[in-house]
Amino acid sequence: AQSVAQPEDQVNVAEGNPLTVKCTYSVSGNPYLFWYVQYPNRGLQFLLKYITGDNLVKGSYGFEAEFNKSQTSFHLKKPSALVSDSALYFCAVLSNDYKLSFGAGTTVTVRA
Amino acid sequence: ETGVTQTPRHLVMGMTNKKSLKCEQHLGHNAMYWYKQSAKKPLELMFVYSLEERVENNSVPSRFSPECPNSSHLFLHLHTLQPEDSALYLCASSPSRSWNTEAFFGQGTRLTVV
Repeated sequence: AQSVAQPEDQVNVAEGNPLTVKCTYSVSGNPYLFWYVQYPNRGLQFLLKYITGDNLVKGSYGFEAEFNKSQTSFHLKKPSALVSDSALYFCAVLSNDYKLSFGAGTTVTVRA
Repeated sequence: ETGVTQTPRHLVMGMTNKKSLKCEQHLGHNAMYWYKQSAKKPLELMFVYSLEERVENNSVPSRFSPECPNSSHLFLHLHTLQPEDSALYLCASSPSRSWNTEAFFGQGTRLTVV
């Protein structure tokens, strides 16, 4: 079965510092991986996806993610975090039967 | 705005009530989904509709009953719910059930069962 794991419930960083949100995956075959963000009282918003091609994927709001096949990871990164990046972040994998399976989410808090 | 609209945004209902959640998209998408989001847990996929046909039902209790009258609308009918059903219910749509398309989510309905 396809699944993702987000090992950290919370990530706290200071504004201006690099931000990394971790995700590891377990799939059979080629992984199709996604990152979503959920701001307070909002639905999930798509950030970026890895389907094939370059291992470094660029997405919305200055975020990028690096696909690492040997480490089965798809960590989300931002070089310089903003207070407005404080939100709940979900990693997801698309299964062979087209079901999107989400991790438990990581709460990011960026302090001023 | 993602183009997916859910109503109501908040709902409080008693265990003997019957209510319905509504989801609407005018993005021309062919697939629609219901997810349940509980605190500290992964999103749970409840139902999937593709071209108005239910293609997935993830062992959801019968007190949740979905309806997809057309490709733009999706309902979740609720009856005799339990307090543990309190959660954020998210609707999503995608162009198709395909490997390279992302889902677009509504803002959710915050359901409280009392």
